[in-house]
Amino acid sequence: AQSVSQHNHHVILSEAASLELGCNYSYGGTVNLFWYVQYPGQHLQLLLKYFSGDPLVKGIKGFEAEFIKSKFSFNLRKPSVQWSDTAEYFCAVNAPRGSTLGRLYFGRGTQLTVWP
Amino acid sequence: DGGITQSPKYLFRKEGQNVTLSCEQNLNHDAMYWYRQDPGQGLRLIYYSQIVNDFQKGDIAEGYSVSREKKESFPLTVTSAQKNPTAFYLCASRTGGALNIQYFGAGTRLSVL
Repeated sequence: AQSVSQHNHHVILSEAASLELGCNYSYGGTVNLFWYVQYPGQHLQLLLKYFSGDPLVKGIKGFEAEFIKSKFSFNLRKPSVQWSDTAEYFCAVNAPRGSTLGRLYFGRGTQLTVWP
Repeated sequence: DGGITQSPKYLFRKEGQNVTLSCEQNLNHDAMYWYRQDPGQGLRLIYYSQIVNDFQKGDIAEGYSVSREKKESFPLTVTSAQKNPTAFYLCASRTGGALNIQYFGAGTRLSVL
């Protein structure tokens, strides 16, 4: 089975600080990678995804993530966070082939708190 | 307005009672999923269904049951055998083909009285 590790359980930043949230996965084959965000009281939303091609992917609200295959990592970054980025962030991985097609494996989540 | 509708938003269960959480989607997606979210544990898969009349157990299926009689609907029953049901339950459906993206409902928060 695949597993996903998110290194930080809770990150606290001031506005305008830079953000990097770590995500590592354990699976040797081809993967699809995702970051989801859950704002307080809202649906879980897709922030960005990587399927293939350019390993640096850009998502909504100025977020980006870099897929480093050799490190099994998919870290999320934002150069300058805002108070409205306060939310819980989940990394997820999917193996696109095989009988478990479609199911996602999620990390435990990172709660980001941004102080104004 | 397309999307995934979960109801109720809040649900209370008495000891020994079965309760059913509703999930309806009008996105015409074949695959649907149920996750359980607990603080600090992320989302864990309970059951999933790739197609009507078929479903598979996820990682924490014990104490839960599902049905998939219609494409649009994937209800989850939390049975009395589930000893720790207090959690936030999320339903999702997935686009087909190469676009393997899951979309989520707003969730149901289940508590035990």
